[in-house]
Amino acid sequence: LAKTTQPISMDSYEGQEVNITCSHNNIATNDYITWYQQFPSQGPRFIIQGYKTKVTNEVASLFIPADRKSSTLSLPRVSLSDTAVYYCLASSSGGYQKVTFGTGTKLQVIP
Amino acid sequence: DVKVTQSSRYLVKRTGEKVFLECVQDMDHENMFWYRQDPGLGLRLIYFSYDVKMKEKGDIPEGYSVSREKKERFSLILESASTNQTSMYLCASSSPPGQGSSYNEQFFGPGTRLTVL
Repeated sequence: LAKTTQPISMDSYEGQEVNITCSHNNIATNDYITWYQQFPSQGPRFIIQGYKTKVTNEVASLFIPADRKSSTLSLPRVSLSDTAVYYCLASSSGGYQKVTFGTGTKLQVIP
Repeated sequence: DVKVTQSSRYLVKRTGEKVFLECVQDMDHENMFWYRQDPGLGLRLIYFSYDVKMKEKGDIPEGYSVSREKKERFSLILESASTNQTSMYLCASSSPPGQGSSYNEQFFGPGTRLTVL
């Protein structure tokens, strides 16, 4: 089971781009990197997933280098509503395996 | 639209009571999960189920049991509630790899905040 490590917290001003890096040195060949977002008093929700290089959707971009030992979630021009906890985890593509959410990164967006 | 519902948003019980937390999903997902979330500890997996009547222990199964008699419903049972089980409980479901657009994407319910007095 791939262990992920990410910063406990980050602060950013509104309008800035935020990059949250996650380390996953032991990632398995068939693991995808997945990021979830959790607002207070809600369950986490999926925001983006990738295997290698770059993935972009309407919410975020995900950069994964060739060695796949780390990944970076990029949130463009954050607003106060992006204040949340962001979790990085490895999700297997080869049949269900237990995943570990960990403690995530608490992003505080400041006006 | 995808939906996972949990029977209560808030629940208050007394020590020693038997507590049932119910979770229902309408997406025909095979996999269902129960987590608890505590400040500073993140989400921790209690149990999961990959099929009807099948269950697997997660990281912290002690003091809990589960039941999955129907595909859409996954129940978490606290046989004898204790104060250290005061927590936010989150249910989730996911489809197997190959179905849907993402691998093992989990869909969460709104959570049940349980207080044991």
